[in-house]
Amino acid sequence: QVQLQESGPGLVKPSDTLSLTCTVSGYSISSGYYWGWIRQPPGKGLEWIGSIYHSGNTYYNPSLKSRVTISADTSKSQFSLKLSSVTAADTAVYYCARQGTLASATAHWGQGTLVTVSS
Amino acid sequence: QSVLTQPPSVSGAPGQRVTISCTGSSSNIGARYVVHWYQQLPGTAPKLLIYDNNNRPSGVPDRFSGSKSGTSASLAITGLQAEDEADYYCQSYDSSLSGVIFGGGTKLTVL
Repeated sequence: QVQLQESGPGLVKPSDTLSLTCTVSGYSISSGYYWGWIRQPPGKGLEWIGSIYHSGNTYYNPSLKSRVTISADTSKSQFSLKLSSVTAADTAVYYCARQGTLASATAHWGQGTLVTVSS
Repeated sequence: QSVLTQPPSVSGAPGQRVTISCTGSSSNIGARYVVHWYQQLPGTAPKLLIYDNNNRPSGVPDRFSGSKSGTSASLAITGLQAEDEADYYCQSYDSSLSGVIFGGGTKLTVL
């Protein structure tokens, strides 16, 4: 049974870079699937940030593309998110997740981690 | 503003039937991309409820069903129970954005 777990700082200063890592257990991320990040600001809806395919190809939400980098370390079964130049609007619960394709359902989610942007 | 439009809230009494709509456009639902539905309880990650328009994962009660027509999709919940009170989200793919899209979410209140 695949499991995903987010980790990283819970507090980031404005203008800094937010960095999170998702550790995957029960499946090798190099074997297949899309591995992505989704966020949810407090009291608001879900927003797809981007995904990385097992081959290394990346896909980003156009509204965030200029600030987002998603990478993977297959040797550690981890993939990471970097979001630069953060503001208070980037405060959210960040989830990592797995999809079969970008059009597929997101059947597997991490528990989520709250990142607050504040000085 | 979300690419997929959902009503902010719906409500119903126990035992009743409610539906939640998800309206898209010709670049997503209308382009025959499938729709998925999630249930989110407070403080938890979304849980897959319906995938590929009308399929239920193992363990999801058959009180939950999905449908799709044209540029819209719907989630129906019959025999409403108190435990169904949650936020519900639809998800699809948009070819213009080349990415995953979500509806804004609907809060279901069981009266």
